[in-house]
Amino acid sequence: EIVLTQSPGTLSLSPGERATLSCRASQIFSSSYLAWYQQKPGQAPRLLIYGTSSRATGIPDRFSGSGSGTDFTLTISGLEPGDFAVYYCQHYGSSSLTFGGGTKVEIK
Amino acid sequence: QEQLVESGGGVVQPGRSLRLSCAAAGFTFNSYAMHWVRQAPGKGLEWVASLSHDGTNKYFADSLKDRFTISRDKFKKTVDLQMRSLRPDDTALYFCARGSGSWVDYPFDVWGQGTMVIVSA
Repeated sequence: EIVLTQSPGTLSLSPGERATLSCRASQIFSSSYLAWYQQKPGQAPRLLIYGTSSRATGIPDRFSGSGSGTDFTLTISGLEPGDFAVYYCQHYGSSSLTFGGGTKVEIK
Repeated sequence: QEQLVESGGGVVQPGRSLRLSCAAAGFTFNSYAMHWVRQAPGKGLEWVASLSHDGTNKYFADSLKDRFTISRDKFKKTVDLQMRSLRPDDTALYFCARGSGSWVDYPFDVWGQGTMVIVSA
């Protein structure tokens, strides 16, 4: 089973700033199978990024993903008020799917 | 529009069973893998189980495979999660999600709002 470790646990930033979220895997896997989700309080998660760097339908281009091997990054360039939420990475490429523990992006 | 609606949650005593159901609408149900994900209060997301579009491939989190089963009904357009020998640490909001492809190796692109399960005496 691949374990995903997200850092930092909490990111305190101001609107307009750039957010950089990390997701590190316990073993190498194909970048085709890494996704990012956003979850706001009281809501279901929403798919943001799949295949490490492809944006899901309707996701603005201020969200971008990158990485390979065991290290993956979600970048939000220019935080907007609606971006303050919890973000999860996910590996979905095998019979054992896993989520990272999440990074909370909060208003500073 | 594409929609998933979960039902069946509630308060259940430890050791009892519970069956959750997820009704799909607005898309070709038989073409997509389906998944269950749970979230304990104040915690992160935990993958529970997955089922391929045709029901032939089933996968479970290692810690749950002895107690949980997953099934789908192509006529009713539902996917069910049968949970046995429930424990207090099974208390969580259970989400149903659609994989964006037929097999389980696709991201989850449609989610329900969840159904709450509380395991307590």
